[in-house]
Amino acid sequence: DGGITQSPKYLFRKEGQNVTLSCEQNLNHDAMYWYRQDPGQGLRLIYYSQIVNDFQKGDIAEGYSVSREKKESFPLTVTSAQKNPTAFYLCASRGQGINQPQHFGDGTRLSIL
Amino acid sequence: QKEVEQDPGPLSVPEGAIVSLNCTYSNSAFQYFMWYRQYSRKGPELLMYTYSSGNKEDGRFTAQVDKSSKYISLFIRDSQPSDSATYLCAMNEGNRDDKIIFGKGTRLHILP
Repeated sequence: DGGITQSPKYLFRKEGQNVTLSCEQNLNHDAMYWYRQDPGQGLRLIYYSQIVNDFQKGDIAEGYSVSREKKESFPLTVTSAQKNPTAFYLCASRGQGINQPQHFGDGTRLSIL
Repeated sequence: QKEVEQDPGPLSVPEGAIVSLNCTYSNSAFQYFMWYRQYSRKGPELLMYTYSSGNKEDGRFTAQVDKSSKYISLFIRDSQPSDSATYLCAMNEGNRDDKIIFGKGTRLHILP
């Protein structure tokens, strides 16, 4: 089945530790996105990538980093510089063509130990 | 004024009722409008996708866009307990590099 796979489903981070969240898609989509979702705050864009080897900061990029070495993969690293990382992280992708909608994975819940 | 406003709820309705969910927006350049359904601890799932003004129907769901009033709605007919979820509206202008702007979501409870 075509879709977006995020792993792990749950992740725990110790103080001062970097952690990486995985996002893989087999939809052949060019564009990929990372969002953070907090209760009552909606979706906030962290980073996005329109094409391989290129990515742009979203609205809340500080404390996060990404890479886009392959079309199907867009991992997100939550660095120790992100002081409030506890949240639900969502990855999305979007196909080419006239204004295709975004499709989402099932998220990773990150918590601090 | 926020770009997209959506009442967070919760909205509780009895099973079988018609549900009306709404969003207002301020950017008159928005042309594409989406509704997503999100169950607890899951990612948002695309329900409806419309362009410009008018109505679009898909089964029990109808999406309505009124660009003159900058107001969009999602109607759910014959609501079921399985419709209990958070519903997010989303919209954008339609340029290649523009971002999709999401509402904060409305929590809906369908009471059996």
